[in-house]
Amino acid sequence: DIVMTQSPLSLPVTPGEPASISCRSSQSLLHNSGSHNLNWYLQKPGQSPQLLIVLTSTRASGVPDRFSGSGSGTDFTLKISRVEAEDVGVYFCMQALQIPFTFGPGTKVDVK
Amino acid sequence: EVQVVETGGDLVQPGGSLRLSCAASEFTFTSYWIHWVRQAPGKGLVWVARIDGAGTVANYADSVKDRFTISRDNAKNTVYLQMSGLRAEDTALYYCVRSFHYYDMDVWGQGTTVTVSS
Repeated sequence: DIVMTQSPLSLPVTPGEPASISCRSSQSLLHNSGSHNLNWYLQKPGQSPQLLIVLTSTRASGVPDRFSGSGSGTDFTLKISRVEAEDVGVYFCMQALQIPFTFGPGTKVDVK
Repeated sequence: EVQVVETGGDLVQPGGSLRLSCAASEFTFTSYWIHWVRQAPGKGLVWVARIDGAGTVANYADSVKDRFTISRDNAKNTVYLQMSGLRAEDTALYYCVRSFHYYDMDVWGQGTTVTVSS
């Protein structure tokens, strides 16, 4: 199975400031189509996860452009250009290259 | 509104069986894969199983293989997860999630709770 790791696991943020979360996979997530099958999800407190980013860098419908994804191979990053109070929750990366799909442990983002 | 709604969660004894249902609405059901993802209390997300739109391809996590069976009834816009040989470690909130391209799991339900305990 592909093992996903994230850092940091906890991220206190200041509204208006940028934030960045790293995700690493135990093997390359490069698909033979040329894309990297890495998604990002946010689980707000008491809610189901919601899709933020698909295929490393494509924002899902309705996701604000302050969220961006990048990376290749085994190293990926989610950036929030200016954190807002509504962005608090747990962020998970997930590889969708190989069955079983696997998630990172999550990064808890909260306001300082 | 595009949505998936899970039902069927319950308290069950170890070794018991349970069937979860995932009812879909407001999208072309047969065009979508459906996945089950679970989350134990206070823990992270674990992918469990998936089935393609036609119901001909199914995949499972090793931890549930040979105990869980995913199926779908496209006439009823519903996916099922038949669980048997339940263990304490199967205790979790079970989410149903759709994906169009197998990888873009975009619509999640609110989940249904399975508790395995004597």
